Amino acid sequence: DADVTQTPRNRITKTGKRIMLECSQTKGHDRMYWYRQDPGLGLRLIYYSFDVKDINKGEISDGYSVSRQAQAKFSLSLESAIPNQTALYFCATASGRNSYNEQFFGPGTRLTVL
Amino acid sequence: QKEVEQDPGPLSVPEGAIVSLNCTYSNSAFQYFMWYRQYSRKGPELLMYTYSSGNKEDGRFTAQVDKSSKYISLFIRDSQPSDSATYLCAADNTDKLIFGTGTRLQVFP
Repeated sequence: DADVTQTPRNRITKTGKRIMLECSQTKGHDRMYWYRQDPGLGLRLIYYSFDVKDINKGEISDGYSVSRQAQAKFSLSLESAIPNQTALYFCATASGRNSYNEQFFGPGTRLTVL
Repeated sequence: QKEVEQDPGPLSVPEGAIVSLNCTYSNSAFQYFMWYRQYSRKGPELLMYTYSSGNKEDGRFTAQVDKSSKYISLFIRDSQPSDSATYLCAADNTDKLIFGTGTRLQVFP
């Protein structure tokens, strides 16, 4: 089984709909991250969390919210989806115990907002 | 200006070629630098990391950091079709990674 899983893998929705993307990990890591990837813009950080009670905004948090339900689960919500939120979304985890910040990525969720 | 800049390519080379992938960064406080490899329809995976200036070699891959010029490089020797992927450089900003936009590499037989 994969260490970092994301559901759904693909989603097509309409403008104004509420969407939740879920991430689960079995690596026992404390740190979890949500990124979006767009052509020409690379990976951009949306939110990150160092534990259940510690949530931080990233570079592009507007229009998104997150919930850290447990150490192993970190969900990303789009309260009212808009077309420019069409992107590939990645969840990542890190132990935080290394001197360097190695992150482990999930397989991604391809979201299309019509 | 983005904190980490990377030429997006695409780069197309024949099998066996030496490939050079490059990034620049602006924040002199960055200490750790990483290269991630991302195959099509997959999440990125850490390929190599380096600390401060210098070289690090792992098989056919060499990562190089020049802090004086704020330049990060990844060299691939004897490139193979299986190396075809997008390569992302990243700088470790303590709690977060700052990624370049990625360079798409195609190695043809």
